Amino acid sequence: QSVLTQPPSASGTPGQRVIISCSGSRSNIGSNYVYWYQQLPGTAPKLLIYRNNQRPSGVPDRFSGSKSGTSASLAISGLRSEDEADYYCVASDDSLNGRVFGGGTKVTVL
Amino acid sequence: EVQLVESGGGLVKPGGSLRLSCAASGFTFSSYAINWVRQAPGKGLEWLSSITSSSTYIYYADSVRGRFTISRDNAKNAVYLQMNSLRAEDTGVYYCARDLEFSFDGMDVWGQGTTVTVSS
Repeated sequence: QSVLTQPPSASGTPGQRVIISCSGSRSNIGSNYVYWYQQLPGTAPKLLIYRNNQRPSGVPDRFSGSKSGTSASLAISGLRSEDEADYYCVASDDSLNGRVFGGGTKVTVL
Repeated sequence: EVQLVESGGGLVKPGGSLRLSCAASGFTFSSYAINWVRQAPGKGLEWLSSITSSSTYIYYADSVRGRFTISRDNAKNAVYLQMNSLRAEDTGVYYCARDLEFSFDGMDVWGQGTTVTVSS
């Protein structure tokens, strides 16, 4: 059972907008930045969003992050086939004195 | 090229030990915190441990505290994960990853991973 809660799956057709939610608590999302990672099959994770809503260079602006209270979300606009991957939210947790991951959301492009 | 390369994975019996290494290149290693993250087969990612740039602060997940020890050698541009009392549930791919600017910041550089299998 992950500390951060994500839906196990999400899907959309090419061009659609998909939103992935991440729910936590006051000690993690409520007090700290949220980060999002993309993991393509058989590869290492890639930083997609940092500090709630910042994109590293090279990440398309189709990807956006937001945070409100103890929840966060990742939006993928203009869904493309290459966006099929697992997506993870992460935050540090003040109670655990460490970092916690969500269980991951598998995005399928129909 | 900024790079992290893990090594040291393999097959080990339950109760055994293994030492993983993470070799860094292409950046000023001594300025960055480094993490270990693992992924069990078919499962999600799990953060295990972090060590700050000068080893001043070290953090562990509850699942490995007391069994795993993280360390670094800035002269060798390397981080290590000593894993003792290994269990079947420690099986997985182990990644090292660099923190972007501060501890628990985004992990912007990842290695390719090394596989650990704990089985009799």
